[in-house]
This record gives sequence, C-alpha cells and structure tokens, in this order.
Amino acid sequence: EVQLVQSGAEVKKPGDSLKISCLASGYSFNTYWIAWVRQVPGQGLEWMGVIYPHDSDTRYSPSFQGLVTISADKSITTAYLQWSGLEASDTAIYYCARLTTLTGRFDYWGQGTLVTVSS
Amino acid sequence: DIQMTQSPSSLSASVGDRVTITCRSSQTIGDYFSWYQQKPGTAPKLLIYAVSNLQSGVPSRFRGGGSGTDFTLTISSLQPEDIAIYYCLQSYSTPYTFGQGTKLEVK
Repeated sequence: EVQLVQSGAEVKKPGDSLKISCLASGYSFNTYWIAWVRQVPGQGLEWMGVIYPHDSDTRYSPSFQGLVTISADKSITTAYLQWSGLEASDTAIYYCARLTTLTGRFDYWGQGTLVTVSS
Repeated sequence: DIQMTQSPSSLSASVGDRVTITCRSSQTIGDYFSWYQQKPGTAPKLLIYAVSNLQSGVPSRFRGGGSGTDFTLTISSLQPEDIAIYYCLQSYSTPYTFGQGTKLEVK
C-alpha cells in the first residue's frame, strides 16, 4: 500500500528555521517525483516544487524559489521541505504528493503538516 | 506560466442534479490535466487524470472531458457526500498550476 506520512504540526516564531518531512512507503521511492503543495487556511492549492529522489533533480515554482529548499534522502525514503527564516506569511498547511509523470497525476497525498508562524 | 481559470467559484445544487465545473488553461496542455476533490480538513484526493480517466475507487458518477484548453468535470447525479472543493491542475509544464477551486454545496 502506497503511503505518504508527514511530520506533525509545528509552531514557530518569525526567523526560525524549520524542516518538515514526508515519509514514503509501499513503492519504489527513487522512481517517482515528490511534490510539495501549500494551502493557506481558507485558500486554494499552490504548487511549490518537485524533486526526483533518484538524482535529486529539483524544480521550483518562481513564487517559492529561494524561499524554501526541497530535498530527499533515498536511504530513508523521505522528502523534505525546509525554511531558513520563517515569516508569518508561511503559516499554512503543506502537503506532499507523489507525481506519476506518465499521466501527470498526483495520485497519493500526505495528510498535511500545519505550520504556524507567530510571534 | 500557464494560468488555469476555473468556474464557477461556488455552486449550489440539489441531490440528484447534474453538475458541471469548467477549467480553462491559458495554453494547450495536452492531456496533462487532472481534477481533485478536497473535503474539509483533509488532503486533496485525485478524481480524474489525463482529462478523462477515472482514478481507481472513484464513483462512476464523476466524469472528465474536454481537450485543448477547455476541460470539464461533470457529476451525473449529485450526492450529499460530494460536498467539497474541487480543483483542476495542469502538469504539462512547471510551474504546475491549480485552478482557484469550486466550492460545491448541496441545497
């Protein structure tokens, strides 16, 4: 069974660093892209970027380029999303999702990680 | 970037009604187009991929169609459990982009 299990909710202060995770199981981690999607409370979905764990090829949305870092550790089948200096505007739910490139579908999603940034 | 324009932004319909949501892309995207359903407090769920393919386990009352730049999601007979927000997505080129969402309510 394919599963993406994300790390738990976080409460941080502006300027803090943070790394959240997405643990994949039930499929060959190296051969599917993993995407990150942001959802500000009450708003829509925003694609942030995607990584191919096999070679760590990473693509970012221009809206998030330079603001976050996406990475992956093949040895523990885990993808990461990290910030070096959080802002209040980063408060959102962050989802990871598996991308099947043949059809361009996000077929499995993590449960989401709520990140709250407040002073 | 490819823009996805989804309409309507909200929709109220009765149980048993036929409901259609549309999505227009700013350029052709082949069949790299999918629909997602998001219920409150949960992650999005894939309904339709490659324009018209029903994801495994999704009820057959959901149907996707269209081509080129114009796409549709149709629910043939609305059920109470279909209350959700629906999003379209283009994955033809990065940055991938979602539509703004359609909030579906049952009268």
